[in-house]
Amino acid sequence: NAGVTQTPKFQVLKTGQSMTLQCAQDMNHEYMSWYRQDPGMGLRLIHYSVGAGITDQGEVPNGYNVSRSTTEDFPLRLLSAAPSQTSVYFCASSPRSKGPYEQYFGPGTRLTVT
Amino acid sequence: KQEVTQIPAALSVPEGENLVLNCSFTDSAIYNLQWFRQDPGKGLTSLLLIQSSQREQTSGRLNASLDKSSGRSTLYIAASQPGDSATYLCAVIYNFNKFYFGSGTKLNVKP
Repeated sequence: NAGVTQTPKFQVLKTGQSMTLQCAQDMNHEYMSWYRQDPGMGLRLIHYSVGAGITDQGEVPNGYNVSRSTTEDFPLRLLSAAPSQTSVYFCASSPRSKGPYEQYFGPGTRLTVT
Repeated sequence: KQEVTQIPAALSVPEGENLVLNCSFTDSAIYNLQWFRQDPGKGLTSLLLIQSSQREQTSGRLNASLDKSSGRSTLYIAASQPGDSATYLCAVIYNFNKFYFGSGTKLNVKP
């Protein structure tokens, strides 16, 4: 298994541009989530999904959209990038049978918005 | 809103030393607590999970304890090694979906 994969690893955007961060898992996990990590702060939950077709907001959802059309993929869309969205983004997945806590993390996407 | 604090923010110790990392949280009505390790430029790796009904969990040289009533957890690392150098994060879990992370303790174990 490849586990949780994220693309791209690095991205530079200009203010106002849009883009999609990709996340995929091949473990048939039902639960997937997106976090951002800023210097000196812990990870903060952006959006999550408990299964295909079901998404919900986390702690810091503004400026981001998600969808979950398949079990494997959970893309994160930035509609109009802002410098405040400069961060490292992590995707995670979890098998529902084990509850919310056995989360497996991807390697992250480092995003810079200028 | 749940606040999760990790002290110290950074720690440097000589190889072989036993050490304790601290995690405190403001709302004791947690579901679980989990400790993670993060290497530079990498994602998070789960180390130990403590369910709310448990007091501690052990894995090899790692031991994590949980005191819900005081809002505290500790991660004990025995006989530290240079390979233990990383950032250690704790996360408190309130229900299926709500994770709150501390900002981490950056550990450096000197050979």
